[in-house]
Amino acid sequence: GEEVAQTPKHLVRGEGQKAKLYCAPIKGHSYVFWYQQVLKNEFKFLISFQNENVFDETGMPKERFSAKCLPNSPCSLEIQATKLEDSAVYFCASSQSDRLILNYGYTFGSGTRLTVV
Amino acid sequence: GNSVTQMEGPVTLSEEAFLTINCTYTATGYPSLFWYVQYPGEGLQLLLKATKADDKGSNKGFEATYRKETTSFHLEKGSVQVSDSAVYFCALVLNSGTYKYIFGTGTRLKVLA
Repeated sequence: GEEVAQTPKHLVRGEGQKAKLYCAPIKGHSYVFWYQQVLKNEFKFLISFQNENVFDETGMPKERFSAKCLPNSPCSLEIQATKLEDSAVYFCASSQSDRLILNYGYTFGSGTRLTVV
Repeated sequence: GNSVTQMEGPVTLSEEAFLTINCTYTATGYPSLFWYVQYPGEGLQLLLKATKADDKGSNKGFEATYRKETTSFHLEKGSVQVSDSAVYFCALVLNSGTYKYIFGTGTRLKVLA
């Protein structure tokens, strides 16, 4: 399809529980990006993939966050032992190529709202 | 470092008023510049873009011109509608490296009937 599909739309976890978010990029798109949107609308880059390979992980909190993009599966972002400060909307985006990113940007999903209580 | 600065909101306008949302950037090299819009509870939608100096992006009555000399990409619309109420984000992508976005902090626009 022509949309980036993120599931679930909403996720509630108790502090210390695991959270797993999914993203199905647009078919044929080789780049996938994850961003975290916190209060006051600030966007923080987390990680990007080129196909199944990590492209840039400089934004990932190493201790509790992990992500994968495996062939023929949705990409996933997992948070072990969630903390209150992980409450945010997590957006996934995809693009077909680096040239298209520069000329047209990426296509964003509608996000997963994670609430840690 | 690379950064995007947007005017603080919220901006409240009456319908049919003129809109300007300022955006300036600091970047090495020659970035591509974007405006995105986020409606309540939704993701980001690309509003317009410009990839080189003096390019003008336009869409749905919105316009922005890539000004290299002032490192700016201000968003304008001649006559806003209630349906334009949303949060607007200015962003850049550098043409070298990792292709991640650098976002401004967003400007909330509220248009009153």
